[in-house]
Amino acid sequence: DAGVTQSPTHLIKTRGQHVTLRCSPISGHKSVSWYQQVLGQGPQFIFQYYEKEERGRGNFPDRFSARQFPNYSSELNVNALLLGDSALYLCASSLVGSGNQPQHFGDGTRLSIL
Amino acid sequence: GIQVEQSPPDLILQEGANSTLRCNFSDSVNNLQWFHQNPWGQLINLFYIPSGTKQNGRLSATTVATERYSLLYISSSQTTDSGVYFCAVRSGGSNYKLTFGKGTLLTVNP
Repeated sequence: DAGVTQSPTHLIKTRGQHVTLRCSPISGHKSVSWYQQVLGQGPQFIFQYYEKEERGRGNFPDRFSARQFPNYSSELNVNALLLGDSALYLCASSLVGSGNQPQHFGDGTRLSIL
Repeated sequence: GIQVEQSPPDLILQEGANSTLRCNFSDSVNNLQWFHQNPWGQLINLFYIPSGTKQNGRLSATTVATERYSLLYISSSQTTDSGVYFCAVRSGGSNYKLTFGKGTLLTVNP
């Protein structure tokens, strides 16, 4: 079975641009979460979606938004990119939205802002 | 929110040595996972272990939930074990997100 897949793997943008990152969960998983990992730190929670509804939001500005589609895939959108948005963006999926299920991570999208 | 502390921050071993990594957390949890992030950035699930003990080959983990800590044991380390090991937890109060520690950077030399 395929794991969590993310696209693209690498992306280079300039300040002020907009970016869309995509994630397909493991088949049968209904919850998708997004994390940002800057160099030298652990991943930081951005959003969780379950059954197409936002169930949690981390401490990120409104420039960050996301959505989940009927097939449970998800998009993360970032507007007005800043240099500080350069990071590895990780998507994770789990069977359900509650806490007692493991999360499985994709390989990430490495975003560089020039 | 919940705090997660990992120790040691850095660890250098010779191939074949054993090691123990520790994760302390500040509140009760309903999910605890150990991950290995390889040099290419891939975050690999090692254990889902909110309580008890599990073993997988040369790796094993123990979580003592009542005392709010977890241990990851690596035996007979290999150079491919190098990378960053993260502990991540979910507390009952915010059951939608994983909170990660800062990680332990493990270097295994041949």
